[in-house]
Amino acid sequence: EDQVTQSPEALRLQEGESSSLNCSYTVSGLRGLFWYRQDPGKGPEFLFTLYSAGEEKEKERLKATLTKKESFLHITAPKPEDSATYLCAVQEPKGAGSYQLTFGKGTKLSVIP
Amino acid sequence: ETGVTQTPRHLVMGMTNKKSLKCEQHLGHNAMYWYKQSAKKPLELMFVYNFKEQTENNSVPSRFSPECPNSSHLFLHLHTLQPEDSALYLCASSQADTQYFGPGTRLLVL
Repeated sequence: EDQVTQSPEALRLQEGESSSLNCSYTVSGLRGLFWYRQDPGKGPEFLFTLYSAGEEKEKERLKATLTKKESFLHITAPKPEDSATYLCAVQEPKGAGSYQLTFGKGTKLSVIP
Repeated sequence: ETGVTQTPRHLVMGMTNKKSLKCEQHLGHNAMYWYKQSAKKPLELMFVYNFKEQTENNSVPSRFSPECPNSSHLFLHLHTLQPEDSALYLCASSQADTQYFGPGTRLLVL
């Protein structure tokens, strides 16, 4: 059973058309929720960490929010350079010093000029 | 640049070959990770090293053999791989909870 589910799998937006990506999770005792951006042929690039329900983080056109069951990545007035795959990952309590992430499959965002 | 480098960036190998992937981090982190990324699947954690000690092996086949000689370097030794092992192999490092990834090695097994 998937612990982290991202939707939609793919999203096409016109430049300037705002939207949201969803990440729902079913882990107990969430330690942190992470958002990454991945461009083709590259490694994931860290965007945000959220730790508690109600927390919000912003960076340029991106805003991440967290509830007890899911997180949203809101994209306001996107530009073509925002096109990428956005990955969500959750961190559960593990042994001391161990910070393991469980990733979703990602949402591939395409922003059309 | 994230401070995590991986070499080679691309690798083609036959099923009988032996090769190694290298990862180096310049961030002073104490933990390092190997992940496998295949099409249409989430990133799969393979190995975790914390202060050079392996703390996690997620049921990875023995044809993958990790080595961590110090906190800055991580290797993945490959031998007798299968075509289904073709994927992007990502290295990451962390000091606390945030992991920073390298660019990956694209591996093709023929």
